[in-house]
Amino acid sequence: DAKTTQPPSMDCAEGRAANLPCNHSTISGNEYVYWYRQIHSQGPQYIIHGLKNNETNEMASLIITEDRKSSTLILPHATLRDTAVYYCIASRSSGSARQLTFGSGTQLTVLP
Amino acid sequence: NAGVTQTPKFQVLKTGQSMTLQCAQDMNHNSMYWYRQDPGMGLRLIYYSASEGTTDKGEVPNGYNVSRLNKREFSLRLESAAPSQTSVYFCAIKRGAADTQYFGPGTRLTVL
Repeated sequence: DAKTTQPPSMDCAEGRAANLPCNHSTISGNEYVYWYRQIHSQGPQYIIHGLKNNETNEMASLIITEDRKSSTLILPHATLRDTAVYYCIASRSSGSARQLTFGSGTQLTVLP
Repeated sequence: NAGVTQTPKFQVLKTGQSMTLQCAQDMNHNSMYWYRQDPGMGLRLIYYSASEGTTDKGEVPNGYNVSRLNKREFSLRLESAAPSQTSVYFCAIKRGAADTQYFGPGTRLTVL
């Protein structure tokens, strides 16, 4: 799986959009970009994933650049409960079990 | 964490003691995983199981054994606990063809 690089920490004001960047310059054509988050002391939570098109669900939007070398997770209206470590992962999906490689992630702190 | 349960939630062991961490799912998925997370670190895969009766090593398997006797349960055993195994242990299942994994609440293990 391609290596991903994320800033170690970010702050965001409550109610504003949180934009979390991720660099994956060595991503291959069949690797998806996944985002997970981990709220303190809890198990990681799946947020969203995409291959090359932008994706949106009830939690967030994922913007992937045309060259696929970077992406941005957008939380449109951040709340205090969105304070968490956010992990960006590049992984080749398959029907069988696969390991997800979690890096250090970005600690997002939503400020009141 | 709905659908993935882990027991116990907390455990303190002395060096050399053994114990088994239990994970159960009620979602009828094939793939199950055990991760560990050390303070301030990302998750690292210990073992995974693609289906009932099969197991494979992950990134950090030394000192652990696993058992997948049926589709629902995946257990992790420490035969002779060491202080280096103090960690939070997460069980996860994989849903669908994509790498969307769903995690249990974790077991916090301290080895003295």
